[in-house]
Amino acid sequence: AQKITQTQPGMFVQEKEAVTLDCTYDTSDQSYGLFWYKQPSSGEMIFLIYQGSYDEQNATEGRYSLNFQKARKSTNLVISASQLGDSAMYFCAMREGQSGGSNYKLTFGKGTLLTVNP
Amino acid sequence: DGGITQSPKYLFRKEGQNVTLSCEQNLNHDAMYWYRQDPGQGLRLIYYSQIVNDFQKGDIAEGYSVSREKKESFPLTVTSAQKNPTAFYLCASSIGARGHSPLHFGNGTRLTVT
Repeated sequence: AQKITQTQPGMFVQEKEAVTLDCTYDTSDQSYGLFWYKQPSSGEMIFLIYQGSYDEQNATEGRYSLNFQKARKSTNLVISASQLGDSAMYFCAMREGQSGGSNYKLTFGKGTLLTVNP
Repeated sequence: DGGITQSPKYLFRKEGQNVTLSCEQNLNHDAMYWYRQDPGQGLRLIYYSQIVNDFQKGDIAEGYSVSREKKESFPLTVTSAQKNPTAFYLCASSIGARGHSPLHFGNGTRLTVT
């Protein structure tokens, strides 16, 4: 079974509008971390925002925020006031905990291609 | 400026040849990683290293080898045993692996084997 599922292969949004990118995850761990990355056409992966499983508040970082619903195992990325430069692939990723130890591995979803229209 | 340098950006090889991808970081990070990305796919972990002279296999290690002789360097060798080597390869590093420490990525190497 996939650990990270991004059900939207592609999304379109008008410039200056908000858009939500979906991500659901599967883990039996109580402690885990969720990450979002942006990959422009040039290929580099840019870290955007992080949500810890024990964080009580939704993470925010500038125009990026997360709608974290722990019971539903979802962590949707909301981009407000979209800009043309937001056009890129967006990946959701998870690091699972290991009973107080370390887990170095990030597991990635297949991504959502966001296109911002002028 | 601190960062991760991958070279070259594009690499072409003939089938049956081994090829080594370079990855250097000056972020003083302990952990380093190699991921592979295929079109329309997410990233898959090849190898990772927590400290110098130590590394572990990821999900798709077959046909690849790595070394970690220096903290700053984590080269990846794609051997002739790798059945489908053509892909985009991303190197990353992190301070550690607890909680919120994100991976920082290089710009990638696009390998084409014909």
